[in-house]
Amino acid sequence: QSVLTQPPSVSAAPGQRVTISCSGTSSNIGKNSVSWYQLLPGTAPKLLIYDNDKRPSGIPDRLSGSKSGTSATLGITGLQTGDEADYYCGTWDSSLSAEVFGGGTKLTVL
Amino acid sequence: QVQLQESGPGLVKPSQTLSLTCTLSGDSINSGGYYWTWIRQHPGKGLEWIGFISYSGSAHYNPSLKSRVTMSLDTSKIQFSLNLSSVTAADTAMYFCARGRITIFRGVQSNWFDPWSQGTLVTVSS
Repeated sequence: QSVLTQPPSVSAAPGQRVTISCSGTSSNIGKNSVSWYQLLPGTAPKLLIYDNDKRPSGIPDRLSGSKSGTSATLGITGLQTGDEADYYCGTWDSSLSAEVFGGGTKLTVL
Repeated sequence: QVQLQESGPGLVKPSQTLSLTCTLSGDSINSGGYYWTWIRQHPGKGLEWIGFISYSGSAHYNPSLKSRVTMSLDTSKIQFSLNLSSVTAADTAMYFCARGRITIFRGVQSNWFDPWSQGTLVTVSS
């Protein structure tokens, strides 16, 4: 059971917009910043968003991140088939003194 | 371009020690501000942070694994290592190494991991 809660799956058509939620508590998301990662089988996981809403160099601006209270959201617009992957949120949990992750969300581009 | 590549046995017997090494290219282990990190993913499950070690050798482990985990650095070989003792089938997972960054500003901690290695599957079985 993951500390952070994500929907197991989301789907949308090419060109559409999708959001992935990540829910936590006052000791993790409510207190610290969130990062987001994309996992594709056979490839190195990729950092998409850090510090809640910042994009590393090379990540397109059709990806966005936000945080409100104890929840965070990853948004992807202009969906492409190449976006099909598993997405994970992560943050520091100050009570556990550990980095914690969500259970992952599988994105399907229909 | 910074790259990480892990190496180690893909099969470990129960009760033995799992040992993995991560070799860095394009950066230095001595780079200040980075935390050299291990993360794993059990088959079909989410990510689990194992721990990280700073360039100075100061380590912080997941409390759930702390009694069995040891991390170390070899700055001359530009490598960092993970040892997980007394393994069981529950330790079967894909193991990743990553470069971590931690910032703390006004009590708010922000951690992120970039880049990651491709991952290596370690199976615990007799």
